[in-house]
Amino acid sequence: GENVEQHPSTLSVQEGDSAVIKCTYSDSASNYFPWYKQELGKRPQLIIDIRSNVGEKKDQRIAVTLNKTAKHFSLHITETQPEDSAVYFCAASIGGAAGNKLTFGGGTRVLVKP
Amino acid sequence: GAGVSQSPSNKVTEKGKDVELRCDPISGHTALYWYRQSLGQGLEFLIYFQGNSAPDKSGLPSDRFSAERTGGSVSTLTIQRTQQEDSAVYLCASSPRTSGGAKVLFFGEGSRLTVL
Repeated sequence: GENVEQHPSTLSVQEGDSAVIKCTYSDSASNYFPWYKQELGKRPQLIIDIRSNVGEKKDQRIAVTLNKTAKHFSLHITETQPEDSAVYFCAASIGGAAGNKLTFGGGTRVLVKP
Repeated sequence: GAGVSQSPSNKVTEKGKDVELRCDPISGHTALYWYRQSLGQGLEFLIYFQGNSAPDKSGLPSDRFSAERTGGSVSTLTIQRTQQEDSAVYLCASSPRTSGGAKVLFFGEGSRLTVL
């Protein structure tokens, strides 16, 4: 089955700097790659996703890039703010009408220092 | 309700006892997932229900774990003869059926299980 590796496990950045989290996946059939943010004591929530037919997607200060050949994708957060402090999870799945489970990476704990 | 509802929010039990965790998904969502999150760890897939298809049970860690989804809605995760290593937050998520493969998961608040 699918295996998703996520690095780093922890990331500390100064407010205003950029943060980058990288994930690799094993199943070349995966075609949907979401990112979830989990604030302390809260439920995970989707922040951005990308499908395999595009290489990059941006939404304000966050962007995701995908390299299908290398089977890796990354989350970029620019101009980090204290409220960006959270655990971020990448995930991968195979889409289609039959659907499939989302396999998550191990998570990255991001701390933005003011 | 407006979101995914899970109960109980907290459960403390003694080793060897059985527990049931309930998930009430968002109305109309065809897919339902159970994940386990141990302290400070990632989201470990347990089981996935999609409509009337046979569930994907590939993530269940042992035969002490089982789950049902009745009438395509409410799901119950049962852990028999609980062990201390079962202590974790059990997260349920539901997802609407979409074309194109995008599957946005809406998570519940989780059920925190502590096995003494």
